[in-house]
Amino acid sequence: DIQMTQSPSSLSASIGDRVTLTCRASQSIGKFLNWYQQKPGKAPNLLVYAASRLQNGVPSRFSGSGSGTDFALTISSLQPEDFATYYCQQNSDDAGPTFGGGTRVEVK
Amino acid sequence: QVHLVQSGAELRKPGSSVKVSCKASGDSLRSYAISWLRQAPGEGPEWMGRIIPVIEVEKYAQKFQGRLTLTADKSTGTVFMELKNLTSEDTATYYCAGFGSSFFDSWGQGSLVIVPS
Repeated sequence: DIQMTQSPSSLSASIGDRVTLTCRASQSIGKFLNWYQQKPGKAPNLLVYAASRLQNGVPSRFSGSGSGTDFALTISSLQPEDFATYYCQQNSDDAGPTFGGGTRVEVK
Repeated sequence: QVHLVQSGAELRKPGSSVKVSCKASGDSLRSYAISWLRQAPGEGPEWMGRIIPVIEVEKYAQKFQGRLTLTADKSTGTVFMELKNLTSEDTATYYCAGFGSSFFDSWGQGSLVIVPS
């Protein structure tokens, strides 16, 4: 199975900050990488698919980049509603999709 | 996208089974693969398997082979997840999710399953 490693596991930031979350795959996955946001008690919500394509309705302050094994999700100007946990997910492995352990974005 | 509504929370004894349902709106199941995932507290989601209801084809993660069964009732647009021989390590929130081109774009609200140790 392809392992997904996210860093940092948590970070503290302020409103208006530029924040970058990273995700590394244990082997090359091309651009088969998706990002989700999850708030407490809710299901994950798709933000970015195919590494850099923004899902319909997702604010443009979110952007994704990368290919191969290294990926990033950037929030250009953190808003109050962005405090949440973010997960990356690969869909390159025939064995099935796998998720990273998540990055929790907290208020500084 | 498809709208998914799951059954409620379950409390089960070790060694028993649980069956969770996931009902899709309209006739959306015609074009969707429905996956089941689970999420233990403080962890990322874990993919368990998926079913394509229109052709009744399933695929299971190796970890759950032999213990997990996914079925579908096309007449009601409902898919089911049954997990057998439960242990405390199966305590988690279980989600059904619609799988678009290569991503999960629709999720049920989640069903908490508790298996006391």
